[in-house]
Amino acid sequence: QKEVEQDPGPLSVPEGAIVSLNCTYSNSAFQYFMWYRQYSRKGPELLMYTYSSGNKEDGRFTAQVDKSSKYISLFIRDSQPSDSATYLCARGTGRRALTFGSGTRLQVQP
Amino acid sequence: GAVVSQHPSWVICKSGTSVKIECRSLDFQATTMFWYRQFPKQSLMLMATSNEGSKATYEQGVEKDKFLINHASLTLSTLTVTSAHPEDSSFYICSASLGDSGNTIYFGEGSWLTVV
Repeated sequence: QKEVEQDPGPLSVPEGAIVSLNCTYSNSAFQYFMWYRQYSRKGPELLMYTYSSGNKEDGRFTAQVDKSSKYISLFIRDSQPSDSATYLCARGTGRRALTFGSGTRLQVQP
Repeated sequence: GAVVSQHPSWVICKSGTSVKIECRSLDFQATTMFWYRQFPKQSLMLMATSNEGSKATYEQGVEKDKFLINHASLTLSTLTVTSAHPEDSSFYICSASLGDSGNTIYFGEGSWLTVV
């Protein structure tokens, strides 16, 4: 079993839709959680990070962590074509390298 | 926000030659940097952890003599692909940790290597 599981998609939604991206993880030792957005042929861009269970909101993005279920989500409201990218969830412990999911490809249709 | 810069962003080299990729943290000091490799439509694979002033820690299966990592200062780490072969063609990405707890990690723009 992979430490981080993520549906690879692709996920296609119409512009303006609410997007829900999800990951599950197996290692309870993970201390913090991140979501990255990666455009084609570019490095990952940090979107959000959180340490605890609950919700964290930043503009159109909401990160949700449920440590009891080992489940994390990223919600994108009012999705735009420019949101079309691959979204990577990641978990980390201390100063170690992050553990990534496989990434979900999102396509927002205009 | 913090910025991590990679150079070159793309490079083409001949088989058998060596290529150096630089990773710089532009507005913060990074005691730890990480090097990843990414194949098309796949996630990031950690190659090694680079610690300033000490030897890099390589992941299992990564040849340390082929992928030389040097972290000579708090703002610069380099990855040298030695005796490159076409199968080394890939997207190489570095990241750097911000903060003492190391839990805010930023990535460079990546470097595309094509070996012909």
